[in-house]
Amino acid sequence: AQSVTQLDSQVPVFEEAPVELRCNYSSSVSVYLFWYVQYPNQGLQLLLKYLSGSTLVKGINGFEAEFNKSQTSFHLRKPSVHISDTAEYFCAVARMDSSYKLIFGSGTRLLVRP
Amino acid sequence: DSGVTQTPKHLITATGQRVTLRCSPRSGDLSVYWYQQSLDQGLQFLIQYYNGEERAKGNILERFSAQQFPDLHSELNLSSLELGDSALYFCASSVEGQGGTGELFFGEGSRLTVL
Repeated sequence: AQSVTQLDSQVPVFEEAPVELRCNYSSSVSVYLFWYVQYPNQGLQLLLKYLSGSTLVKGINGFEAEFNKSQTSFHLRKPSVHISDTAEYFCAVARMDSSYKLIFGSGTRLLVRP
Repeated sequence: DSGVTQTPKHLITATGQRVTLRCSPRSGDLSVYWYQQSLDQGLQFLIQYYNGEERAKGNILERFSAQQFPDLHSELNLSSLELGDSALYFCASSVEGQGGTGELFFGEGSRLTVL
């Protein structure tokens, strides 16, 4: 079975500061990795994904993430955050098999303060 | 706009009742997934359908059932509702059932409140 751990339930940060949201996963088989963002009263939107190849993945809104197989991590980073980045961020994994159901972490609330 | 449509957006009902949530996937997508989001359980995978057939099952209660119709829309039926069923129910769709990237496109959710 797969599992995803997001250790930080909430990350407060000042506007224009860098941020890192941590994600660790556990799986006995190869997986795809994803970060989704959920703005208030909205559905989930894909930020970025790692399927294969380069371990540094760039996504929308200036976010990037680095896949580290040895540490089974997929941390999300942004060098300078904006107020509009305030949202809930979910890390997720999907097995490379027929079902492709995403298993989500518990989420990290990013709170950007002016 | 993800292209996934869910109705109703909000639903308030009483314990013991039955409700049906509806999802229309993106045009061309064959897979539909249902997720439940609650404060204490987070985002839980319930069930997946691919082209009308059940493909994977997660933490779905026996009181809940789902189906995908020939036009690919899906319905999630929740019966004998309990207070703990209050949650945001998301539908997501993807083009593939096998192969592909696993990227899901989510609707805006149906918020169910059981009183």
